[in-house]
Amino acid sequence: GEDVEQSLFLSVREGDSSVINCTYTDSSSTYLYWYKQEPGAGLQLLTYIFSNMDMKQDQRLTVLLNKKDKHLSLRIADTQTGDSAIYFCAESMSTDKLIFGTGTRLQVFP
Amino acid sequence: DAGVIQSPRHEVTEMGQEVTLRCKPISGHNSLFWYRQTMMRGLELLIYFNNNVPIDDSGMPEDRFSAKMPNASFSTLKIQPSEPRDSAVYFCASSLRVGVSGGASTDTQYFGPGTRLTVL
Repeated sequence: GEDVEQSLFLSVREGDSSVINCTYTDSSSTYLYWYKQEPGAGLQLLTYIFSNMDMKQDQRLTVLLNKKDKHLSLRIADTQTGDSAIYFCAESMSTDKLIFGTGTRLQVFP
Repeated sequence: DAGVIQSPRHEVTEMGQEVTLRCKPISGHNSLFWYRQTMMRGLELLIYFNNNVPIDDSGMPEDRFSAKMPNASFSTLKIQPSEPRDSAVYFCASSLRVGVSGGASTDTQYFGPGTRLTVL
């Protein structure tokens, strides 16, 4: 079935790296996404990776994809207090639908 | 571009009343999605449209919920009658299915700011 799983919470110190993990179930997913939701706001697209890639880097963000294990991760280098938010991974289905994970709440403390 | 626009941003109503949420997708986008977000259930897809046609409404909770998309630039989600358990943040998102090399396409969805609904 369709299921995307994430851990619920992550707490890191400012300046450290954060790694948010996600597992998905549909091996036919074409794209996998990371969205960020700040308090009181909608989801904002951070980055996405095509399923035939295993890594994508975008400034402080690094996405790693392990298709064999159906595992996706988002690494945020030099984490800042402004990175505190909920992070959702999502997989695309054969239709227009995205299946979202439960979200990981990242808390950055000084 | 103004992004996805939703109104109202906040709605407080009494149980039994009709509620109408509105969404204006990004101009040129051909898919529109309605989501509901609660602490207990997370982010749930209620219904989505492609080219103004409902494609999948399997997430609509019950007959009290209905959605329409009369044209490419406007959609409504209606709850009648509303109940306290409908209290949630309702998001609208839109996307444009664009072909890229290899025949695959991105499904990047752009979200509106949401409508926070409270049913008393």
